[in-house]
Amino acid sequence: GNSVTQMEGPVTLSEEAFLTINCTYTATGYPSLFWYVQYPGEGLQLLLKATKADDKGSNKGFEATYRKETTSFHLEKGSVQVSDSAVYFCALTTSGTYKYIFGTGTRLKVLA
Amino acid sequence: DAEITQSPRHKITETGRQVTLACHQTWNHNNMFWYRQDLGHGLRLIHYSYGVHDTNKGEVSDGYSVSRSNTEDLPLTLESAASSQTSVYFCASSPTSGTSTDTQYFGPGTRLTVL
Repeated sequence: GNSVTQMEGPVTLSEEAFLTINCTYTATGYPSLFWYVQYPGEGLQLLLKATKADDKGSNKGFEATYRKETTSFHLEKGSVQVSDSAVYFCALTTSGTYKYIFGTGTRLKVLA
Repeated sequence: DAEITQSPRHKITETGRQVTLACHQTWNHNNMFWYRQDLGHGLRLIHYSYGVHDTNKGEVSDGYSVSRSNTEDLPLTLESAASSQTSVYFCASSPTSGTSTDTQYFGPGTRLTVL
């Protein structure tokens, strides 16, 4: 079946450090891939997405590239801020199902 | 602005009681979803609906039910609450037409504690 695997957290970084959160997936067909962010006490918000191989999603300085050959969609940011502290979820959906499969989430804490 | 709301935001109940969590969206989305969020498990799908009078079981549906009588609402009912159902519950919706049919929009969540 379809699945998403994320790196375990928490991840603790100093402000302005480089961020990578790994995400790999298993899916039949050609999934769309997503990163959602959850700030404390809130629901999930779409951060970025990519719908086909080699697409790069980007938003708020975050980027992720859909790599079909390595079945990966790693999240990166060049310089994190304290305000980026949140839980990040990788997810996929396959065409026509509208249902998501989520990873377990990675908590990021950025220290000033 | 269109939005998705959940109520109550916090609920404490006792084992064996019936509980209903409300979800209301004003986007006119056909698809609606209920998830539970637990540490170490991420979000797991409980039930989902593709339209009025349509409901489907997700991966963790035991002990939960939903009904869809209109486009805007998908209430989640715990028939007889159990301590294992203590969790944070999220509702989400997505469209079936346009350019963002793959994007789900989430409510703020309901924290449920079963004592």
